[in-house]
Amino acid sequence: SYELTQPPSVSVSPGQTATITCSGDKLGDKYACWYQQKPGQSPVLVMYQDTKRPSGIPERFSGSKSGNTATLTISGTQAMDEADYYCQAWDSSTVVFGGGTKLTVL
Amino acid sequence: QVQLVQSGAEVKKPGASVKVSCKASAYIFTTYAIHWVRQAPGQRLEWMGWINAGNGNTKYSQNFQVRVTFTRDTSAKTAYMELSSLRSEDTAVYYCASGDRFDYWGQGTLVTVSS
Repeated sequence: SYELTQPPSVSVSPGQTATITCSGDKLGDKYACWYQQKPGQSPVLVMYQDTKRPSGIPERFSGSKSGNTATLTISGTQAMDEADYYCQAWDSSTVVFGGGTKLTVL
Repeated sequence: QVQLVQSGAEVKKPGASVKVSCKASAYIFTTYAIHWVRQAPGQRLEWMGWINAGNGNTKYSQNFQVRVTFTRDTSAKTAYMELSSLRSEDTAVYYCASGDRFDYWGQGTLVTVSS
C-alpha cells in the first residue's frame, strides 16, 4: 500500500523557520495537502495542491514540492504553531496520510 | 453555516458494533462526499473511506472493508459509520470530513472499546 513518510518530530526556536517534509513514491505526480492538528482538536487544512494556502491561514505558512518530496515551511514560527502536522495525498482513489510530525517550538 | 456535527462519545464491549453519525449542512451534503477518518490515541490519522451522500456510493479502505458500513439519511442530511466486531484496537476518535480538500471536519467522536 502507498505510504507517505514524515519525520516524527521537528524542533524550532520562536521566530525561526520550520520545515517539515513528506516523501512518497511518485508523490511528484500527485497533489499534497497539509493539516495542522492541535491537542484535542480536529485537523485544520493549512495547505493544498502543494502550494496553495486556504483563506484564513497565515502567510507564514508555505508549501513546495521537489521531486517526490513535499515540504511545509513555517516562517517566523510562533508558539501557536506548535502542533502535529500531517501530509496527505490521493493514491488510486484512496486517501493516504503521512505518519505526522510533531512540531515543537522551543 | 458550513459544518459537520457528530454524535457523542460511545463505550462498547469487544465484539459489539458502534454507529457514529455526522450531520452535515445542506451545502456539504449536496456537494461533497463525506469521508471517515479515525485516530487512535497518539497515532496518525487513518482514512476509512467515503460515501457519496447523493447516490449512496461508497469506497472503503482495504483495512476496514470487512467491518465497516457507511450509510446516509438524505432527509436528515446525516451520514453514518458503523463498525462491527469491535476490538480494543478500535478505541479511537472517529472523524467525518468533507470538502474538496478535507476543508471541513466534524468535532470527532471518541469510541472506547473495553470489557
